[in-house]
Amino acid sequence: DAGVTQSPTHLIKTRGQQVTLRCSPKSGHDTVSWYQQALGQGPQFIFQYYEEEERQRGNFPDRFSGHQFPNYSSELNVNALLLGDSALYLCASSLAPSAYYHYEQYFGPGTRLTVT
Amino acid sequence: EDQVTQSPEALRLQEGESSSLNCSYTVSGLRGLFWYRQDPGKGPEFLFTLYSAGEEKEKERLKATLTKKESFLHITAPKPEDSATYLCAVQAPFSGTYKYIFGTGTRLKVLA
Repeated sequence: DAGVTQSPTHLIKTRGQQVTLRCSPKSGHDTVSWYQQALGQGPQFIFQYYEEEERQRGNFPDRFSGHQFPNYSSELNVNALLLGDSALYLCASSLAPSAYYHYEQYFGPGTRLTVT
Repeated sequence: EDQVTQSPEALRLQEGESSSLNCSYTVSGLRGLFWYRQDPGKGPEFLFTLYSAGEEKEKERLKATLTKKESFLHITAPKPEDSATYLCAVQAPFSGTYKYIFGTGTRLKVLA
């Protein structure tokens, strides 16, 4: 059973450029969340996708956008990169949101983005 | 404001020296509390989910407990391979769905 996969593993970009990160969820999962983790910090929630729509969003600017495809895979796009965008970007998958059911998220290995 | 605080920030133990990590939270309507282990440069690995006060979960040398305001991750007779950052996260209702808030983690180093 394949877990959450992310690509690429590492990425180096220059300030002002744009970047796209990709994620495939764990088999059976249909919800994907993206997190940014700076060195020495806990993951910060960026946004979540379910049924190809952005369902909720954390405190991140519009430079951060995403997409979910019919096969539940997802992309994170970041425009006009800043030095402060350098971080580990994590994708997590889970079952669909429910008001009555608790569930855990499973994380991928992350993409290390370095902005120079 | 919903918040998750973990302590200590870092912990060094001798192999076999048991200890506990703390995760305190202030959220409205806790739906679940999650513990993860994270090795350097890798994604968090799921360990436990706790739903209600008084609940306990165990896995090998780890035991997680939950009260109404905090959770503890007890490590019994740790080994060097238990060295990692342990993250706590809470799930709470938010705008008709939920949100997931992480603490900053406890960096555990177990010395042989």
